[in-house]
Amino acid sequence: DIHMTQSPSSLSPSVGDRVTITCRAGQSITSHLNWYQQKPGKAPKLLIYAASSLQSWVPSRFSGSGSGTDFTLTISSLQPEDSATYYCQQSDSIPYTFGQGTKLEIK
Amino acid sequence: EVHLLESGGGLVQPGGSLRLSCAASGFTFTNFAVSWVRQAPGKGLEWVSSISASGANSYYADSVKGRFTISRDNSKNTLYLQMISLRAEDTAVYYCAKTSFSAVTGTFDYWGQGALVTVSS
Repeated sequence: DIHMTQSPSSLSPSVGDRVTITCRAGQSITSHLNWYQQKPGKAPKLLIYAASSLQSWVPSRFSGSGSGTDFTLTISSLQPEDSATYYCQQSDSIPYTFGQGTKLEIK
Repeated sequence: EVHLLESGGGLVQPGGSLRLSCAASGFTFTNFAVSWVRQAPGKGLEWVSSISASGANSYYADSVKGRFTISRDNSKNTLYLQMISLRAEDTAVYYCAKTSFSAVTGTFDYWGQGALVTVSS
């Protein structure tokens, strides 16, 4: 199984801050990396797929980068509605595995 | 608009069985692979199982292999998860999730709202 490690586990930035979340895969997954956003009591939503492609609903302040084993999710200017837990997930091979999540709480 | 609606969750005793359903609408169900992903209370996401658009191919996490069976009825636009020999560690919200391809892939572009399964005596 491919182990996915996210960091940090939580952070408390302010509105307008630039935020970066990192995700590391236990082996190369090329660009088969997705990011999901989950708000409390809600289902996850696909945010970014194939490491850097934004879903149609996603604001341009979100971006994803990386390949191989190291990936990042960046929010260029944090907004109040970005408060959520973010998960990375590898879609390279079964079993599909998720990172442990990064909880973003805005100050 | 894509809509996935899970049902069939509830409280079951250890060793018991339960069948989850996921009714799909707003897209051509027969064209896409679908999956189940679960989330234990306060925990992260865990992929459970996936099935191809035709139903010919299915895959399972080791934690549920031999106990859970995924299936689909394309005439009813419905996905199922039959769960037997349930354990306390199966307690979770179970989400059905759509992919963008007919073959099984691991990118889940739409999710249902989830069904809670609680395994407890």
